[in-house]
Amino acid sequence: GAGVSQSPSNKVTEKGKDVELRCDPISGHTALYWYRQSLGQGLEFLIYFQGNSAPDKSGLPSDRFSAERTGGSVSTLTIQRTQQEDSAVYLCASSLGPGQGNYGYTFGSGTRLTVV
Amino acid sequence: AQSVTQLGSHVSVSEGALVLLRCNYSSSVPPYLFWYVQYPNQGLQLLLKYTSAATLVKGINGFEAEFKKSETSFHLTKPSAHMSDAAEYFCAVSEGDTNAGKSTFGDGTTLTVKP
Repeated sequence: GAGVSQSPSNKVTEKGKDVELRCDPISGHTALYWYRQSLGQGLEFLIYFQGNSAPDKSGLPSDRFSAERTGGSVSTLTIQRTQQEDSAVYLCASSLGPGQGNYGYTFGSGTRLTVV
Repeated sequence: AQSVTQLGSHVSVSEGALVLLRCNYSSSVPPYLFWYVQYPNQGLQLLLKYTSAATLVKGINGFEAEFKKSETSFHLTKPSAHMSDAAEYFCAVSEGDTNAGKSTFGDGTTLTVKP
């Protein structure tokens, strides 16, 4: 697509429920990233996918968080047994991969997750 | 390893005054550096980037930044602030075009422009 698309744009969930957040990157972008932005905070790296390589999961805060990327395109971030501290804006970005010119990210509009 | 420090979480300037937002970085390899802007209730967008070519880079909306290796800095400037520049600005560093394209972001600087 023309831009990075994220859905839903807003999600309110009860504590303890599981949620899935979706990201559809720009066509041809082999790299996909998930970041989290909490109120008044900077961007916290969560996970990075590059082509068919094993993802860099070093930023996932706990084993309740997981992500997959199917067919090198759409990605889903799953949070199990949500907690209130998971409330944040979850941002997805895509870019050309290493060796293709690292010219910065294109971000989606984010999913605002509120855990009540 | 890489890191970014943005000096000043809040900067306030008068309309028409110089804008200077500070960013210092740390990287074990030659870095690529970026500034992103987030306008109120909008997503982040790339403002400008340094990718080892010219050290003075120009971006959108009259902003520019200069890469200074000796000072490990990449400060963002604009000669004359406009009310529409009010936003949050993030500096980011990645380890060039090698390894991963993963970027590390600073904590952000909120720019307020007073009439």
